[in-house]
Amino acid sequence: AQSVTQLGSHVSVSEGALVLLRCNYSSSVPPYLFWYVQYPNQGLQLLLKYTTGATLVKGINGFEAEFKKSETSFHLTKPSAHMSDAAEYFCAVSGTNYGQNFVFGPGTRLSVLP
Amino acid sequence: DGGITQSPKYLFRKEGQNVTLSCEQNLNHDAMYWYRQDPGQGLRLIYYSQIVNDFQKGDIAEGYSVSREKKESFPLTVTSAQKNPTAFYLCASSIEDSQFVYTQHFGDGTRLSIL
Repeated sequence: AQSVTQLGSHVSVSEGALVLLRCNYSSSVPPYLFWYVQYPNQGLQLLLKYTTGATLVKGINGFEAEFKKSETSFHLTKPSAHMSDAAEYFCAVSGTNYGQNFVFGPGTRLSVLP
Repeated sequence: DGGITQSPKYLFRKEGQNVTLSCEQNLNHDAMYWYRQDPGQGLRLIYYSQIVNDFQKGDIAEGYSVSREKKESFPLTVTSAQKNPTAFYLCASSIEDSQFVYTQHFGDGTRLSIL
């Protein structure tokens, strides 16, 4: 079975500071990993995904994530936080069969302080 | 533009009433999904469908029903058997890409409340 944990249900950073949102997964097969962002009362928007190949993945809005197999991690980072980054972020893991085993983490709410 | 349309955005249900949430996609995706989102619990899978006229229960299917008569449409009915229906409901769809990955794409959700 696959599972995802996100350390910290709420993270606060100052504008311009580094953003680091943590994601660890468990999977019995090589995983596909995703980060989504959700703004209030909206759906989820894909930020980036890791499938195979390069372990450092760049996404939209200046975010990137690094797949570390030895640590079973896929942490999301952004060098400099912007007020517009305030949202809920979800990490997800998937296998390869139609995505019905697409498992989401509980989410991390990011607040950006002026 | 291609996308997933959920309607209505807000829905109110009376006790003992069934309500149906609409989900339409024009992405030509094969698979569609319904999730329930509660604060602090992430997303939980209700039902999913891989092809027309076929669907499977997810983790929390009790009190819900679906149909998949057309590729573009996957409506969700919240029945009176669902005792705690207040939540944010998200519809998603996916198709296998060139890397054999099923990335899920989401609609903007429907917020259901009990009167």
